[in-house]
Amino acid sequence: EAGVAQSPRYKIIEKRQSVAFWCNPISGHATLYWYQQILGQGPKLLIQFQNNGVVDDSQLPKDRFSAERLKGVDSTLKIQPAKLEDSAVYLCASSFLIQETQYFGPGTRLLVL
Amino acid sequence: QQQVKQSPQSLIVQKGGISIINCAYENTAFDYFPWYQQFPGKGPALLIAIRPDVSEKKEGRFTISFNKSAKQFSLHIMDSQPGDSATYFCAAVIETSGSRLTFGEGTQLTVNP
Repeated sequence: EAGVAQSPRYKIIEKRQSVAFWCNPISGHATLYWYQQILGQGPKLLIQFQNNGVVDDSQLPKDRFSAERLKGVDSTLKIQPAKLEDSAVYLCASSFLIQETQYFGPGTRLLVL
Repeated sequence: QQQVKQSPQSLIVQKGGISIINCAYENTAFDYFPWYQQFPGKGPALLIAIRPDVSEKKEGRFTISFNKSAKQFSLHIMDSQPGDSATYFCAAVIETSGSRLTFGEGTQLTVNP
């Protein structure tokens, strides 16, 4: 079974630029999560989807971050405009259903200069 | 607000030794406590998990000890091996309120040969 796929794996941008990350969850997984992992810290949930509906986006900085999950499969996370403090690894995870084991992708490492 | 505190930040043990990582939580509504293992360049992967109705869970060389009254839980790795060298995160979930994982800060474990 293929795991969670993410791209790109690395991205370097200047502050105030825009960036987008893509995630393809495990086939059949209805729930999709985006986490932000700052160096030396544990991952923090940004947004959770159930199919193509948002379940939890309480920790998403909505003034600059947006995410969508069209057709309930792939998802994109966008940052516009990026700040220095957005430098982190952005992890995507999926689970078959809410309350089931979350499987993480390898992450996208973002560096904002 | 940090809801799960993890210690130590880093840990070095000799091959064959016992690795112990501790976590404490504040929110008594948490009802599921997983541990994740993360290797460099990879996403976290579920290692073992426990619910508060049991005091201990063992899977191979990995054991979780849970103290509900003290609001603490710990991971014990018996007969530690160099391949166990990774970052370990404890986490907590309120399953009845979705499945947002609240992670600890992480422990970087190094097992010397």
